[in-house]
Amino acid sequence: EAQVTQNPRYLITVTGKKLTVTCSQNMNHEYMSWYRQDPGLGLRQIYYSMNVEVTDKGDVPEGYKVSRKEKRNFPLILESPSPNQTSLYFCASSLSGGVGNQPQHFGDGTRLSIL
Amino acid sequence: AQKITQTQPGMFVQEKEAVTLDCTYDTSDPSYGLFWYKQPSSGEMIFLIYQGSYDQQNATEGRYSLNFQKARKSANLVISASQLGDSAMYFCAMREMGSGGYQKVTFGIGTKLQVIP
Repeated sequence: EAQVTQNPRYLITVTGKKLTVTCSQNMNHEYMSWYRQDPGLGLRQIYYSMNVEVTDKGDVPEGYKVSRKEKRNFPLILESPSPNQTSLYFCASSLSGGVGNQPQHFGDGTRLSIL
Repeated sequence: AQKITQTQPGMFVQEKEAVTLDCTYDTSDPSYGLFWYKQPSSGEMIFLIYQGSYDQQNATEGRYSLNFQKARKSANLVISASQLGDSAMYFCAMREMGSGGYQKVTFGIGTKLQVIP
Protein backbone atom coordinates (compact mmCIF):
# COMPACT_ATOMS: atom_id res chain seq x y z
CA GLU A 1 0.00 0.00 0.00
CA ALA A 2 1.31 3.44 -0.96
CA GLN A 3 1.84 5.45 2.16
CA VAL A 4 3.75 8.02 4.12
CA THR A 5 4.60 6.80 7.59
CA GLN A 6 5.42 9.10 10.47
CA ASN A 7 6.65 8.12 13.89
CA PRO A 8 5.82 8.70 16.62
CA ARG A 9 2.15 9.62 16.31
CA TYR A 10 2.14 11.28 19.71
CA LEU A 11 4.96 12.59 21.85
CA ILE A 12 5.10 14.54 25.08
CA THR A 13 8.56 15.73 25.99
CA VAL A 14 10.36 18.50 27.84
CA THR A 15 12.12 21.64 26.76
CA GLY A 16 15.63 21.10 25.45
CA LYS A 17 15.50 17.35 24.97
CA LYS A 18 16.48 16.59 21.39
CA LEU A 19 13.94 14.64 19.40
CA THR A 20 13.51 13.25 15.92
CA VAL A 21 10.29 12.62 14.06
CA THR A 22 10.80 10.07 11.32
CA CYS A 23 9.08 10.09 7.96
CA SER A 24 9.26 7.39 5.33
CA GLN A 25 7.48 6.96 2.00
CA ASN A 26 7.30 3.87 -0.20
CA MET A 27 6.28 5.54 -3.46
CA ASN A 28 9.75 6.49 -4.75
CA HIS A 29 8.76 10.14 -4.53
CA GLU A 30 11.38 12.80 -5.08
CA TYR A 31 9.70 15.67 -3.23
CA MET A 32 9.18 15.51 0.53
CA SER A 33 8.10 18.16 2.94
CA TRP A 34 7.35 18.90 6.58
CA TYR A 35 4.48 21.07 7.80
CA ARG A 36 3.20 22.19 11.13
CA GLN A 37 -0.48 22.81 11.68
CA ASP A 38 -1.63 25.28 14.32
CA PRO A 39 -5.20 26.48 14.99
CA GLY A 40 -6.05 29.54 12.94
CA LEU A 41 -2.80 29.34 10.96
CA GLY A 42 -3.40 26.45 8.61
CA LEU A 43 -0.40 24.38 7.54
CA ARG A 44 2.95 26.05 7.31
CA GLN A 45 5.88 24.56 5.48
CA ILE A 46 8.96 23.98 7.60
CA TYR A 47 11.42 22.39 5.17
CA TYR A 48 11.19 20.61 1.89
CA SER A 49 13.45 18.39 -0.16
CA MET A 50 13.46 18.03 -3.89
CA ASN A 51 15.69 14.98 -3.88
CA VAL A 52 18.44 13.22 -1.96
CA GLU A 53 20.82 15.74 -0.39
CA VAL A 54 18.70 18.66 -1.68
CA THR A 55 16.79 20.51 1.01
CA ASP A 56 15.51 24.04 1.41
CA LYS A 57 13.74 26.17 3.95
CA GLY A 58 10.04 26.68 3.99
CA ASP A 59 8.31 29.51 5.76
CA VAL A 60 8.99 28.50 9.36
CA PRO A 61 12.36 26.69 9.52
CA GLU A 62 13.67 28.19 12.76
CA GLY A 63 14.37 25.58 15.42
CA TYR A 64 14.22 22.64 13.02
CA LYS A 65 16.69 20.60 11.02
CA VAL A 66 16.18 18.02 8.30
CA SER A 67 18.28 15.65 6.29
CA ARG A 68 17.67 13.60 3.16
CA LYS A 69 20.28 10.90 2.92
CA GLU A 70 17.96 8.38 1.30
CA LYS A 71 15.12 8.98 -1.08
CA ARG A 72 12.51 7.34 1.12
CA ASN A 73 13.35 9.03 4.44
CA PHE A 74 13.07 12.63 5.56
CA PRO A 75 13.45 12.99 9.33
CA LEU A 76 12.60 16.19 11.19
CA ILE A 77 14.98 17.04 14.01
CA LEU A 78 14.31 19.39 16.90
CA GLU A 79 17.71 19.92 18.50
CA SER A 80 16.43 21.90 21.48
CA PRO A 81 12.64 21.84 21.50
CA SER A 82 10.74 24.71 23.05
CA PRO A 83 7.06 25.02 24.04
CA ASN A 84 6.28 27.14 20.95
CA GLN A 85 7.04 24.06 18.85
CA THR A 86 4.06 22.27 20.34
CA SER A 87 2.00 21.50 17.27
CA LEU A 88 0.62 18.91 14.89
CA TYR A 89 3.25 17.95 12.34
CA PHE A 90 2.68 16.45 8.92
CA CYS A 91 5.13 14.87 6.54
CA ALA A 92 4.14 14.76 2.88
CA SER A 93 5.58 13.54 -0.39
CA SER A 94 4.88 13.91 -4.09
CA LEU A 95 6.32 12.38 -7.21
CA SER A 96 8.43 15.42 -8.01
CA GLY A 97 8.58 19.11 -7.32
CA GLY A 98 7.03 20.22 -10.58
CA VAL A 99 3.85 22.24 -10.71
CA GLY A 100 1.96 19.58 -12.61
CA ASN A 101 -0.87 17.62 -11.06
CA GLN A 102 1.25 16.03 -8.39
CA PRO A 103 -0.68 16.18 -5.16
CA GLN A 104 1.10 15.54 -1.94
CA HIS A 105 0.46 12.38 0.01
CA PHE A 106 0.34 13.08 3.70
CA GLY A 107 1.28 11.03 6.70
CA ASP A 108 -1.17 10.67 9.57
CA GLY A 109 0.47 13.42 11.57
CA THR A 110 2.53 13.64 14.76
CA ARG A 111 1.08 15.47 17.71
CA LEU A 112 3.99 16.96 19.62
CA SER A 113 3.68 18.53 23.06
CA ILE A 114 6.71 20.23 24.60
CA LEU A 115 6.44 21.11 28.26
CA ALA B 1 0.80 39.93 1.78
CA GLN B 2 -0.75 36.53 2.33
CA LYS B 3 0.01 34.14 -0.48
CA ILE B 4 -3.20 32.19 0.03
CA THR B 5 -6.28 33.83 1.49
CA GLN B 6 -9.34 31.94 2.63
CA THR B 7 -11.77 34.48 4.03
CA GLN B 8 -14.49 32.14 5.28
CA PRO B 9 -13.52 30.64 8.65
CA GLY B 10 -16.75 28.65 8.74
CA MET B 11 -19.57 27.80 6.36
CA PHE B 12 -22.87 25.99 6.68
CA VAL B 13 -24.66 24.29 3.82
CA GLN B 14 -27.84 22.29 3.63
CA GLU B 15 -27.46 18.70 2.56
CA LYS B 16 -27.84 18.27 -1.24
CA GLU B 17 -27.15 21.95 -1.86
CA ALA B 18 -24.05 23.31 -3.60
CA VAL B 19 -21.46 25.37 -1.75
CA THR B 20 -18.52 27.52 -2.84
CA LEU B 21 -15.40 27.88 -0.74
CA ASP B 22 -13.33 30.92 -1.58
CA CYS B 23 -9.60 31.05 -2.21
CA THR B 24 -7.50 33.89 -3.55
CA TYR B 25 -3.77 33.67 -4.12
CA ASP B 26 -0.84 35.93 -4.72
CA THR B 27 2.21 35.06 -6.78
CA SER B 28 4.44 36.63 -9.39
CA ASP B 29 5.56 33.27 -10.77
CA PRO B 30 3.97 32.42 -14.13
CA SER B 31 4.04 28.72 -13.33
CA TYR B 32 2.17 27.49 -10.29
CA GLY B 33 -0.30 24.87 -9.19
CA LEU B 34 -3.34 25.20 -6.98
CA PHE B 35 -4.65 22.36 -4.83
CA TRP B 36 -7.57 21.78 -2.52
CA TYR B 37 -7.35 19.37 0.38
CA LYS B 38 -9.97 18.12 2.81
CA GLN B 39 -9.23 17.40 6.45
CA PRO B 40 -12.00 15.53 8.26
CA SER B 41 -12.20 15.53 12.04
CA SER B 42 -10.09 12.35 12.03
CA GLY B 43 -7.16 14.51 10.91
CA GLU B 44 -5.91 13.03 7.67
CA MET B 45 -5.28 15.25 4.66
CA ILE B 46 -7.13 14.20 1.52
CA PHE B 47 -6.35 15.62 -1.92
CA LEU B 48 -9.44 16.80 -3.80
CA ILE B 49 -8.59 18.71 -6.94
CA TYR B 50 -5.79 20.45 -8.83
CA GLN B 51 -5.59 23.41 -11.21
CA GLY B 52 -2.44 24.40 -13.09
CA SER B 53 -1.70 28.00 -13.96
CA TYR B 54 -1.61 27.18 -17.66
CA ASP B 55 -4.75 25.06 -17.68
CA GLN B 56 -7.37 26.52 -19.98
CA GLN B 57 -10.32 24.74 -18.47
CA ASN B 58 -11.60 24.61 -14.93
CA ALA B 59 -10.76 21.36 -13.18
CA THR B 60 -13.49 18.94 -12.16
CA GLU B 61 -13.35 15.77 -10.06
CA GLY B 62 -16.72 14.18 -9.44
CA ARG B 63 -18.72 16.53 -7.22
CA TYR B 64 -15.78 18.92 -6.91
CA SER B 65 -15.03 21.65 -9.39
CA LEU B 66 -12.62 24.53 -9.28
CA ASN B 67 -13.73 27.95 -10.45
CA PHE B 68 -10.39 29.31 -11.68
CA GLN B 69 -10.27 33.00 -12.50
CA LYS B 70 -6.65 33.70 -13.28
CA ALA B 71 -6.93 37.46 -13.76
CA ARG B 72 -8.60 37.79 -10.38
CA LYS B 73 -6.21 35.26 -8.83
CA SER B 74 -9.01 33.21 -7.41
CA ALA B 75 -9.47 29.45 -7.26
CA ASN B 76 -12.76 28.74 -5.55
CA LEU B 77 -13.84 25.19 -4.77
CA VAL B 78 -17.40 24.28 -5.64
CA ILE B 79 -18.93 21.21 -4.00
CA SER B 80 -22.17 20.14 -5.61
CA ALA B 81 -24.88 18.09 -3.91
CA SER B 82 -23.34 18.34 -0.43
CA GLN B 83 -23.30 15.24 1.73
CA LEU B 84 -22.96 14.88 5.48
CA GLY B 85 -19.52 13.37 4.91
CA ASP B 86 -18.37 16.63 3.36
CA SER B 87 -18.28 18.21 6.82
CA ALA B 88 -14.59 18.94 7.27
CA MET B 89 -11.87 21.55 7.12
CA TYR B 90 -10.92 22.55 3.57
CA PHE B 91 -7.54 23.97 2.66
CA CYS B 92 -6.45 25.76 -0.49
CA ALA B 93 -2.76 25.44 -1.32
CA MET B 94 -0.37 26.77 -3.94
CA ARG B 95 2.89 25.32 -5.19
CA GLU B 96 5.12 27.85 -6.87
CA MET B 97 8.01 27.10 -9.14
CA GLY B 98 10.35 29.97 -8.46
CA SER B 99 13.02 31.16 -10.83
CA GLY B 100 15.65 30.18 -8.31
CA GLY B 101 14.43 26.60 -8.42
CA TYR B 102 12.54 26.72 -5.17
CA GLN B 103 9.35 24.75 -4.80
CA LYS B 104 7.54 26.15 -1.84
CA VAL B 105 4.04 25.16 -0.95
CA THR B 106 1.75 27.59 0.86
CA PHE B 107 -1.54 26.71 2.51
CA GLY B 108 -4.42 28.93 3.47
CA ILE B 109 -5.82 28.91 7.00
CA GLY B 110 -8.75 26.79 5.95
CA THR B 111 -12.54 26.91 5.91
CA LYS B 112 -14.59 24.70 8.19
CA LEU B 113 -17.61 23.40 6.34
CA GLN B 114 -20.58 21.93 8.15
CA VAL B 115 -23.30 20.17 6.24
CA ILE B 116 -26.73 20.35 7.86
CA PRO B 117 -29.18 17.48 7.41
